Amino acid sequence: AQTVTQSQPEMSVQEAETVTLSCTYDTSENNYYLFWYKQPPSRQMILVIRQEAYKQQNATENRFSVNFQKAAKSFSLKISDSQLGDTAMYFCAFMKPFGGTSYGKLTFGQGTILTVHP
Amino acid sequence: EAQVTQNPRYLITVTGKKLTVTCSQNMNHEYMSWYRQDPGLGLRQIYYSMNVEVTDKGDVPEGYKVSRKEKRNFPLILESPSPNQTSLYFCASSLLGGGGRGLSEQYFGPGTRLTVT
Repeated sequence: AQTVTQSQPEMSVQEAETVTLSCTYDTSENNYYLFWYKQPPSRQMILVIRQEAYKQQNATENRFSVNFQKAAKSFSLKISDSQLGDTAMYFCAFMKPFGGTSYGKLTFGQGTILTVHP
Repeated sequence: EAQVTQNPRYLITVTGKKLTVTCSQNMNHEYMSWYRQDPGLGLRQIYYSMNVEVTDKGDVPEGYKVSRKEKRNFPLILESPSPNQTSLYFCASSLLGGGGRGLSEQYFGPGTRLTVT
């Protein structure tokens, strides 16, 4: 079974600064998908960024980028130029590829509460 | 607008009183699932469905039932709720991949806050 670990229960950052959220995972699969989800106080789950394990290039989405280290099973999220609207709970998640058992199931980490201070 | 809807959004009930949380999607997705979110545990999958009449257990299925009689609907049933089922519940849906290495984004509903006293 896969496990996802987020070792930082809470983080804080000043507006306009950069912050990195950590995530490690454990799997015996060679191909899989990794995600970062944002959950603001509204509780809505919002997909921030995704990475396919067979792609070596790190994914980027505007101010959000990841550092994917497949051998180390590490998948950190970097938020640049932090904004007040980035304040939220962030979840790292793992998914097995299509065709295998349990496809579609997201295995989530415990979450990291990020607070952006003005 | 493409969306996943859940009802009710908030529910307070008593132990043993059967309840159903509805989930509906308008995107013709084959795959639907239910998660519960608890502090310090993230989200955990309860049940999932690959298509109509095809359902299977996730990681924490005890105390829950589901059905998939129509493609758009995937209700979560608590036959005899207990206080340990107090949680935040999410329904999610997606297409069943894009073939080969295809990946479909999962769409989440707004969540249902359930309290069992």
